[in-house]
Amino acid sequence: GENVEQHPSTLSVQEGDSAVIKCTYSDSASNYFPWYKQELGKRPQLIIDIRSNVGEKKDQRIAVTLNKTAKHFSLHITETQPEDSAVYFCAASSPNDYKLSFGAGTTVTVRA
Amino acid sequence: EAQVTQNPRYLITVTGKKLTVTCSQNMNHEYMSWYRQDPGLGLRQIYYSMNVEVTDKGDVPEGYKVSRKEKRNFPLILESPSPNQTSLYFCASSWTGGQPNEKLFFGSGTQLSVL
Repeated sequence: GENVEQHPSTLSVQEGDSAVIKCTYSDSASNYFPWYKQELGKRPQLIIDIRSNVGEKKDQRIAVTLNKTAKHFSLHITETQPEDSAVYFCAASSPNDYKLSFGAGTTVTVRA
Repeated sequence: EAQVTQNPRYLITVTGKKLTVTCSQNMNHEYMSWYRQDPGLGLRQIYYSMNVEVTDKGDVPEGYKVSRKEKRNFPLILESPSPNQTSLYFCASSWTGGQPNEKLFFGSGTQLSVL
C-alpha cells in the first residue's frame, strides 16, 4: 500500500517568512495529492490539492509542487501570518483503490 | 448548510462494551470514510465507502465494522472496544465531481476513550 512520509514534524517561522513542508510517497500510481490544515481542536480542512499531470499549483500565499520522478511533493507558504499556525497534513491517493493515505503531520508555529 | 455530522463528540466507555459512532452528511456525497487520528501518526484510514452497500478496508480496519445502507449515513461500529482504540475519530465525505476521495469534507470529530 501507499506510504507517505512528511518532514519536518515541527516548524517554527518568524511572521512574514516562508514555510516549506515536504512529503514523499511510495506508490508510483498515486495521482492525487491534497494538503489539509487542522487548527487546534478543529477538523482538518482542505487548503490545496494537485493532480499528477500538473507540476505546480498556486493559490494566493500557498503553493504546491510535485516531482513525479522523485515521488515527492511540497507545500510552500509565503509571507506567513499568525493564522497560519496549525498542523498541516499531506496525503496521496491511487486511482487503483481510492484509499487516501496521510503523512504524520507538521506542526507549524508562526512567531509574531 | 452543508455538513458532516458525527455523534457523539465525546465518548468514554469500558473494554468490551459495543458502541456505534454515527456519521451523516447532507451533501449527497457518494464517497464516505472513517479516520482515526493519533499523535505522531497523522490520520489513518479505517474504512471507506464508494457508494451504498459498497465498503472497503483502509489501512487500520481491525476491530472496526461499518455499514452503508443509505447514502447519507456511514456508522462506525466497535463490537468489542479495547484501550488501543482510544483515539480521535473523523468521518469525512467527498464530492462527486472528480476522483471519489477528492476534497474531503470532515466532521467535527469524536474523541473516544476506552477504559
